[in-house]
Amino acid sequence: DAGVTQSPTHLIKTRGQQVTLRCSPKSGHDTVSWYQQALGQGPQFIFQYYEEEERQRGNFPDRFSGHQFPNYSSELNVNALLLGDSALYLCASSLGWEEQYFGPGTRLTVT
Amino acid sequence: GNSVTQMEGPVTLSEEAFLTINCTYTATGYPSLFWYVQYPGEGLQLLLKATKADDKGSNKGFEATYRKETTSFHLEKGSVQVSDSAVYFCALRSGGGADGLTFGKGTHLIIQP
Repeated sequence: DAGVTQSPTHLIKTRGQQVTLRCSPKSGHDTVSWYQQALGQGPQFIFQYYEEEERQRGNFPDRFSGHQFPNYSSELNVNALLLGDSALYLCASSLGWEEQYFGPGTRLTVT
Repeated sequence: GNSVTQMEGPVTLSEEAFLTINCTYTATGYPSLFWYVQYPGEGLQLLLKATKADDKGSNKGFEATYRKETTSFHLEKGSVQVSDSAVYFCALRSGGGADGLTFGKGTHLIIQP
């Protein structure tokens, strides 16, 4: 049984560019949450998707947007990248409100 | 709003020592509490959880008790091993379950042989 998978593993972008990160949830899970983990910090909640809609959002600007597909996979899009967006982006999946399982993350570096 | 405060690291112990990592929280209502562990180069793994006051979560020799009166969820282990070296995160989720997790900053634990 595959766990949560994320792609790509690493990514380097330039300030002002746009980026898309992808997540496939654990089999049987229908809810996907995204987190940003800056170096040396705990993860911060970006948003959560359920039934293809954003259900809850943390304190992140509109430059951060997402999407959930009918197969429950999800994308995180970040526009107009800033140096401060450099971080590890974690995807977590769950069955509804049950416990969240995390993927290995995508390391984004903005130069 | 919700917040989690945990002891700063790194915490360095010798193998077989007793471990305590302190965690306190601020939240509205009755949150669920979690400890996650992150090994080098890996994602977060759920270590244990407690969903109501006085519950004790336990796993792999680690324990934590949900103390509502002190708003705490301290992580303990009686005898640590080198393989326990990792970063440990305390987290909460507000009652109702629809919210994302709120994490502490993490505590880096180093166990020396």
